[in-house]
Amino acid sequence: EVQLVESGGGLVQPGGSLRLSCAASGFIVSSYYMSWVRQAPGKGLEWVSVIYSGDITYYADSVKGRFTISRDNSKNTMYVQMNSLRSEDTAVYYCARGYCSGGNCYPTPFESWGQGTLVTVSS
Amino acid sequence: SYELTQPLSVSVALGQTARITCGGNNIGSKNVHWYQQKPGQAPVLVIYRDTDRPSGIPERFSGSNSGNTATLTISRAQAGDEADYYCQVWDSSTAVFGGGTKLTVL
Repeated sequence: EVQLVESGGGLVQPGGSLRLSCAASGFIVSSYYMSWVRQAPGKGLEWVSVIYSGDITYYADSVKGRFTISRDNSKNTMYVQMNSLRSEDTAVYYCARGYCSGGNCYPTPFESWGQGTLVTVSS
Repeated sequence: SYELTQPLSVSVALGQTARITCGGNNIGSKNVHWYQQKPGQAPVLVIYRDTDRPSGIPERFSGSNSGNTATLTISRAQAGDEADYYCQVWDSSTAVFGGGTKLTVL
């Protein structure tokens, strides 16, 4: 069974840093496109970042230069390092797995999601 | 950057058909995916690649995509279908979500 479990959320002051983790089971993280998607309180979904096989990464403009996505294949875990946090980064952060079919893999659709971890940026 | 437009809300009578639209420039040339999200829960994929249904999703859920509009159709709407629905595409190495539509089953 595919499972994604996020951790590392919490309260942080503006300008601070936080690292979120996404532990995967039931599949090999390095074989899939893996993304972070966030949702501010009462708002819609916002894609944050993706890591490809080969460690190619892309970011939303809103987090570029502040967030870094990475992966530890030995732990089957994905991370996002969040620096210079702002109040507008307050959100539930979900990790999500892309889609593979017929030997080909794609960044979306997001076939599986974690339960999310809440990040609150406030003084 | 690419934008997707959804109605804020759609209402449907119990047992009737709901249609949720997702507008975008030439969206018919892209693969559109749809997610259902209930309060306090993570999103769930309900339609992918315009028309495909993941295992476990009822046949009542269907999708179409042409021109500048993609549509999620929910037939024989049930109380349990009440949720927020998001369309999504992949464009220029980024995932783009619509703003979401709140479906109310009356």
